[in-house]
Amino acid sequence: DADVTQTPRNRITKTGKRIMLECSQTKGHDRMYWYRQDPGLGLRLIYYSFDVKDINKGEISDGYSVSRQAQAKFSLSLESAIPNQTALYFCATSDSSWGEAFFGQGTRLTVV
Amino acid sequence: DQQVKQNSPSLSVQEGRISILNCDYTNSMFDYFLWYKKYPAEGPTFLISISSIKDKNEDGRFTVFLNKSAKHLSLHIVPSQPGDSAVYFCAASGYSGGGADGLTFGKGTHLIIQP
Repeated sequence: DADVTQTPRNRITKTGKRIMLECSQTKGHDRMYWYRQDPGLGLRLIYYSFDVKDINKGEISDGYSVSRQAQAKFSLSLESAIPNQTALYFCATSDSSWGEAFFGQGTRLTVV
Repeated sequence: DQQVKQNSPSLSVQEGRISILNCDYTNSMFDYFLWYKKYPAEGPTFLISISSIKDKNEDGRFTVFLNKSAKHLSLHIVPSQPGDSAVYFCAASGYSGGGADGLTFGKGTHLIIQP
């Protein structure tokens, strides 16, 4: 089983719909992250969480919200999806603020 | 403004030769640098890292060099193998002064190993 699991792996949704992407981890890490990858733009940080009581905005948080339900679970929501949110989304975990991060396999989201 | 730059979107290298991937950064507060490798339909996986107190770190066929004065790092793969064909991301972290966390990534370089 993967250490960082993302569901769903692929999703197509319509403009204006609410959608939630889920992430769970078995590594026991406190830090969890959501990144977005667009072609030619690398990975950009959306939100990050140090623990269940600590949520922080990243570089591109507008249009997104998150929930840290437990140490092992961190979900990303798009309240009203728009086409330019079409991207590959990655969840990651880490045990330090500067070190190696472990990534899930990604969720490919298409907003039509 | 991009803080981590990988100026070569793609690189083609013959099998058995050396692959050199380059990365530049602008934020002098970065003090830890990582390389990630990504295959299609998979998440990035950690490859090798280097702290700013070092100028070289080696792990098997992979070596990362850091030139702090030039704010430049490079990843050397020797000899290059077909399985090395992937997208390579340079990433940096460190105390930014703003309480931010997480890694700052470059745009990636697609390495293609030719047989």
